[in-house]
Amino acid sequence: KQEVTQIPAALSVPEGENLVLNCSFTDSAIYNLQWFRQDPGKGLTSLLLIQSSQREQTSGRLNASLDKSSGRSTLYIAASQPGDSATYLCAVKGGSEKLVFGKGTKLTVNP
Amino acid sequence: DGGITQSPKYLFRKEGQNVTLSCEQNLNHDAMYWYRQDPGQGLRLIYYSQIVNDFQKGDIAEGYSVSREKKESFPLTVTSAQKNPTAFYLCASSKVRDRHNSPLHFGNGTRLTVT
Repeated sequence: KQEVTQIPAALSVPEGENLVLNCSFTDSAIYNLQWFRQDPGKGLTSLLLIQSSQREQTSGRLNASLDKSSGRSTLYIAASQPGDSATYLCAVKGGSEKLVFGKGTKLTVNP
Repeated sequence: DGGITQSPKYLFRKEGQNVTLSCEQNLNHDAMYWYRQDPGQGLRLIYYSQIVNDFQKGDIAEGYSVSREKKESFPLTVTSAQKNPTAFYLCASSKVRDRHNSPLHFGNGTRLTVT
């Protein structure tokens, strides 16, 4: 059974810092990995999707990498801003074609 | 703008009552999903549907029911059989064609409180 773990559960950084969020998964037989952002009381917003054949994807200040063989993904946020404060979730899509979600990392960027 | 609309945003019900949560999308997506989110837990899949008039149970379907009579709509009924219905409910949709390269789109959720 696929399990997705995100460490740390919470992270607080000063504005301007570059940071890395981690995601690990137990079954490397995946179709894709997705990173989402969730603001309090809101739904999830898709940030990046990495297909299993890809190594990374970039969107603006965000860069996500995927190492399928080791079961790891990282989300790199450059020059963090207070508006980046949110919970970040990763999810993997495996053989069952269902997305399995991690519990998220709550990020606080302090001005 | 295309998107997913969930209504209402907040819902309060007495124990023993059934309640239906609405989800409508205008993204022309074939697949629709219902997730439940509880504090400190990841999202858990309740039901999903990949085509009109067909749906499958997810990981925690007990006490819930759905219908998919139209492509745009996927309502979720929380029945009195659901033991812990108080939660944040999220509806999502995605394409079926090129599905491994199609991200999930979410609505803004409905917070259900049952007392």
